[in-house]
Amino acid sequence: SQTIHQWPATLVQPVGSPLSLECTVEGTSNPNLYWYRQAAGRGLQLLFYSVGIGQISSEVPQNLSASRPQDRQFILSSKKLLLSDSGFYLCAWSAGAATGELFFGEGSRLTVL
Amino acid sequence: GNSVTQMEGPVTLSEEAFLTINCTYTATGYPSLFWYVQYPGEGLQLLLKATKADDKGSNKGFEATYRKETTSFHLEKGSVQVSDSAVYFCALSDGRTSYDKVIFGPGTSLSVIP
Repeated sequence: SQTIHQWPATLVQPVGSPLSLECTVEGTSNPNLYWYRQAAGRGLQLLFYSVGIGQISSEVPQNLSASRPQDRQFILSSKKLLLSDSGFYLCAWSAGAATGELFFGEGSRLTVL
Repeated sequence: GNSVTQMEGPVTLSEEAFLTINCTYTATGYPSLFWYVQYPGEGLQLLLKATKADDKGSNKGFEATYRKETTSFHLEKGSVQVSDSAVYFCALSDGRTSYDKVIFGPGTSLSVIP
């Protein structure tokens, strides 16, 4: 069966420090991969999606970047964090058939102080 | 563009009460509709879905019917339990892109008290 893991689960970082959140998927090949952000009391905002290795699309301009160095690995990064980057970050995958069914990781809570 | 609107929470119910969470959507064409649930401290998981008009999705006692005439997909459960306490997201996907461009509503927080 397919599983998705992301880490770290919790992160507290000072303003201006770098960020790296990692997500891996097991049990499937060529997944579409996604990074969402969920700000406190708000819905989900799609940040990045990837349909293949090295292929990254950004939905909103921001201080963050994403990379996909391997088929089932998706990384969210920042060189210098801002206070507004605080939130709950969710990685997700889908099978690529545009079914609308997303499978989410456990989430990473980032607090920028 | 496509969008999803759902009732704002928080919603607080007593155990065994009837639940309705309203959801309406705006979309071109014939989107697929979904309800996702997020339990405290976790990621989202798919609760149920419907892919065409008049379809009824159901799972774990929850139901929702795809109503094209009213562009709605309301979530219902006849008797809620404390374990149903979570945030519920209505969502749609129009299937027109090569990836799953899922549009989520803002979420409705549900608390069920014993």
